[in-house]
Amino acid sequence: QLMQSGPEVKKPGASVKVSCKASGYSFTIYGIAWVRQAPGQGLEWMGWISPYNGNTNYLPKFQDRVAMTTDTATTTVYLEVASLTSDDTAVYFCARKATPVSYYFDYWGQGTLVTVSS
Amino acid sequence: DIQMTQSPSTLSASVGDRVTITCRASQRIGDSLAWYQQKAGKAPKLLIYKASTLESGVPSRFSGSGSVTEFTLTITNLQPEDFATYYCQQYNGYPWTFGQGTKVDIK
Repeated sequence: QLMQSGPEVKKPGASVKVSCKASGYSFTIYGIAWVRQAPGQGLEWMGWISPYNGNTNYLPKFQDRVAMTTDTATTTVYLEVASLTSDDTAVYFCARKATPVSYYFDYWGQGTLVTVSS
Repeated sequence: DIQMTQSPSTLSASVGDRVTITCRASQRIGDSLAWYQQKAGKAPKLLIYKASTLESGVPSRFSGSGSVTEFTLTITNLQPEDFATYYCQQYNGYPWTFGQGTKVDIK
């Protein structure tokens, strides 16, 4: 199970940090990806992190202002997005890689709505 | 990046119908394709991976086929709970990419 933090409202230029707490499986074995969905739009993969060693891989468009981190003690993964604009208004999902070596996703968090508005 | 193009964008159908959604990849991706179902306000749900392997717990009325660049998701005997938006996703080439979605609504 993946349980995400609650909705956020931020002003342009601010940062937001969303959490995703994993439970019910061996946390370090499966990578966690972040996928976002703007209102009425499709799914956009942002990147992923390996809870085993903290290695990350970000989509180039997010490289400069996204950070994914992991806390193995609390089995929680975090997504931080800096320099927010209205274009970042979206629901952010965490999703578990289905196997250690594949890149499709079998369990998803419930989503966290981030609204960027002045 | 590998572009994934789904068709149609919207599909109107009735309970009991057989519906087919197509997903085309801009490059060869073998069988590295997954299908998801998303209902309004909910997270996507994995239906099929490796182009045709049904995820555990998914009803057998869902099936996937295809390889290389062209793939299909078929739902036979459409049920009321199947009205949703469906996405394909390739995981052969980085970055992994989704199709734009196909909304299946009630005729």
